[in-house]
Amino acid sequence: GAGVSQSPSNKVTEKGKDVELRCDPISGHTALYWYRQRLGQGLEFLIYFQGNSAPDKSGLPSDRFSAERTGESVSTLTIQRTQQEDSAVYLCASSFPRAGDNEQFFGPGTRLTVL
Amino acid sequence: SQKIEQNSEALNIQEGKTATLTCNYTNYSPAYLQWYRQDPGRGPVFLLLIRENEKEKRKERLKVTFDTTLKQSLFHITASQPADSATYLCALENTGFQKLVFGTGTRLLVSP
Repeated sequence: GAGVSQSPSNKVTEKGKDVELRCDPISGHTALYWYRQRLGQGLEFLIYFQGNSAPDKSGLPSDRFSAERTGESVSTLTIQRTQQEDSAVYLCASSFPRAGDNEQFFGPGTRLTVL
Repeated sequence: SQKIEQNSEALNIQEGKTATLTCNYTNYSPAYLQWYRQDPGRGPVFLLLIRENEKEKRKERLKVTFDTTLKQSLFHITASQPADSATYLCALENTGFQKLVFGTGTRLLVSP
């Protein structure tokens, strides 16, 4: 079966431009997560969706970052007016949370480079 | 403050030996703890989950322990192979929440 997919795999943009990153979760997974991973660093939580709602946006670094999810499937992470410090790999994961079990399935990530 | 700590230095071992990785946490009350493997340029892959009422979990050559008194989990790979070389991440979920919080990972290098 298909896993989590993300597009584009690589994105190079100029400082100040807006970018959109897309995540297609595993079909049937109700939860979707966005993380950021800077070079050589761990995963930094950004936002989590349960269905179409986002109960936890606490990790979004600034108001330049936003995300939405439609139809309990595809999610888009938008970064406005990109800065060089936004350069990182953006990882998406999905899961079907059950009591005592929340194994997350990750996509391959989008590598964002802001020049 | 809440912290999850894993050894930031790489662990170098010889093929055939047992690798032991450590995950320590403070100011969390995790319902369970997970371990993931991450290869360069790829997303993490789930390996094992251990619940707060479990002391030990095994899967093939992998073993995880969870000590809620010490606030520590140990991850063991027995009979290690060069193909086990990767970064290993621990992640935990606070009781009552759904968000996983990840440690920074420990890189394991297994030499032939």
